[in-house]
Amino acid sequence: GIQVEQSPPDLILQEGANSTLRCNFSDSVNNLQWFHQNPWGQLINLFYIPSGTKQNGRLSATTVATERYSLLYISSSQTTDSGVYFCAVGGDRETSGSRLTFGEGTQLTVNP
Amino acid sequence: DAGVIQSPRHEVTEMGQEVTLRCKPISGHNSLFWYRQTMMRGLELLIYFNNNVPIDDSGMPEDRFSAKMPNASFSTLKIQPSEPRDSAVYFCASSVNRWNEQFFGPGTRLTVL
Repeated sequence: GIQVEQSPPDLILQEGANSTLRCNFSDSVNNLQWFHQNPWGQLINLFYIPSGTKQNGRLSATTVATERYSLLYISSSQTTDSGVYFCAVGGDRETSGSRLTFGEGTQLTVNP
Repeated sequence: DAGVIQSPRHEVTEMGQEVTLRCKPISGHNSLFWYRQTMMRGLELLIYFNNNVPIDDSGMPEDRFSAKMPNASFSTLKIQPSEPRDSAVYFCASSVNRWNEQFFGPGTRLTVL
């Protein structure tokens, strides 16, 4: 099946700093989502972005499907941004169906 | 609009007992997914339904696990008998169709003693 690799595994920032999280995947995708899992365990949808660029406030994401990676940018980080960020991909429809394969996540800690 | 609703939010049970987890998808969504999150294996798909029909159950661990979707607004995941290794957070997700963005419920944290 499709492989998903996220980096870095851990990231510690001071409030106000910017960061870039990366997601590499091993095959073509028909679905790519970024999630934030907050300290209460909830999975919050950030972006649905199988290709292209999107922005939502301080967050933006870019997926370059031909090169098999996606980037999540967080600007002016806040303590409430802390948590785990997951990239999840849906591979080829014939071989992977509708399943999302999750990366292992990036644990982000933003200190005041 | 209400999101995906799961119940119970927390369940503590003893080994050998039957456990039933419940999910109500977002209204109008035709696909429903059950995922499990553990420290060892991360987030993994157990089963998904499209228009109430199970499409892929290859992630279901073993015969002790079963899932049903009797109608478009309700699904259950049952574990019988439960074992300590089933302890995990179980998420339900739904999407408009099987290829679109998936939205997750708050999860059920299951502890089997």
